[in-house]
Amino acid sequence: KAGVTQTPRYLIKTRGQQVTLSCSPISGHRSVSWYQQTPGQGLQFLFEYFSETQRNKGNFPGRFSGRQFSNSRSEMNVSTLELGDSALYLCASSPDHSNQPQHFGDGTRLSIL
Amino acid sequence: SQQGEEDPQALSIQEGENATMNCSYKTSINNLQWYRQNSGRGLVHLILIRSNEREKHSGRLRVTLDTSKKSSSLLITASRAADTASYFCATDEGGADGLTFGKGTHLIIQP
Repeated sequence: KAGVTQTPRYLIKTRGQQVTLSCSPISGHRSVSWYQQTPGQGLQFLFEYFSETQRNKGNFPGRFSGRQFSNSRSEMNVSTLELGDSALYLCASSPDHSNQPQHFGDGTRLSIL
Repeated sequence: SQQGEEDPQALSIQEGENATMNCSYKTSINNLQWYRQNSGRGLVHLILIRSNEREKHSGRLRVTLDTSKKSSSLLITASRAADTASYFCATDEGGADGLTFGKGTHLIIQP
């Protein structure tokens, strides 16, 4: 079974731009969660999607948004990028989030210049 | 917000020795999970222990959970150079906040 795939692996943007990151979950997994990892704040939960609906949301501004498609693939979008958005963005999937381990992709490294 | 706090922040031991990492958390949980992260890679799930369980084993890994003290420990026995990584505990409160991760323990195994 293929693992969680995130694209692109690396991305460089400038302040004010927007970016879209993609995540393909493990086949059969319907829950997709996104996390931001920075040296200062560590791993922080962004949001979770299940069956194309946002089920949970972390404490991030509205510039961070996401969606999930009928094939469970998910995208997250960050608009009006700020220097502080530089981070490793990780996607995780599970059959159904509750009480189950999360399977993580290798992440997208986003650098803001 | 961080709930799990790992201790120590960094640990360096000789190959073959055992490594113990601790995690404390603040609120009631459904389960606690341990993950490993190699530099620049994603997280790899190690063990999930439910709130009604006290101990779980997986190969060289042993995890304990004490809900009265709100703490957990991860023991890696007979360490190998390949165990060098950061280890994170994560709590699942069953609510709307996804997994809540600690800052991690950076483990270095000296050959």
